[in-house]
Amino acid sequence: AQSVTQLDSQVPVFEEAPVELRCNYSSSVSVYLFWYVQYPNQGLQLLLKYLSGSTLVKGINGFEAEFNKSQTSFHLRKPSVHISDTAEYFCAVSDLRSNYQLIWGAGTKLIIKP
Amino acid sequence: KAGVTQTPRYLIKTRGQQVTLSCSPISGHRSVSWYQQTPGQGLQFLFEYFSETQRNKGNFPGRFSGRQFSNSRSEMNVSTLELGDSALYLCASSGTGAFSTDTQYFGPGTRLTVL
Repeated sequence: AQSVTQLDSQVPVFEEAPVELRCNYSSSVSVYLFWYVQYPNQGLQLLLKYLSGSTLVKGINGFEAEFNKSQTSFHLRKPSVHISDTAEYFCAVSDLRSNYQLIWGAGTKLIIKP
Repeated sequence: KAGVTQTPRYLIKTRGQQVTLSCSPISGHRSVSWYQQTPGQGLQFLFEYFSETQRNKGNFPGRFSGRQFSNSRSEMNVSTLELGDSALYLCASSGTGAFSTDTQYFGPGTRLTVL
């Protein structure tokens, strides 16, 4: 069965510094990949998704992610973070074997230090 | 366009009771999915409805059920509540009907506490 690992439960970073949030998935068959963000006391919002084509995906709020099939990874990056990026970030994967249900990682809390 | 709305936002119930949660999708969206979010298990898919039919189902016991109405509004019911059902229940709607690739738009959730 598909599984998703977000290697860091928390990532502290200084404001205006770059950040990378890591995501690995288990199955190497054809997958769709998503990053969602959850701000405090709110629902989730899509940042970006990879369906096919270019492995570098650009999303909202200056975020981008790179699909690496050989490493089964889909890491999220931002070159310069702001206080407003404080949130929890979730990686999700869907594939045929999961009947395209979203399988979620445990989440990574991004903590911005002033 | 108004976003996904969920009512109520907070609920407190006791073990053995049943509860009904409501979700109104974005206007024009026909797919509604439900998720359970807990600190221990994270986000887990419950089920998805499209045009009043359950199209996908996660791995939850039969105590968890749902339905969708002709106006795409959806309800989720949990019977015989257990302490472990305490969670944030999230509803998401999507517009194109392509369950595999659609962007899902989430509501703020209903926080259920079971005492």
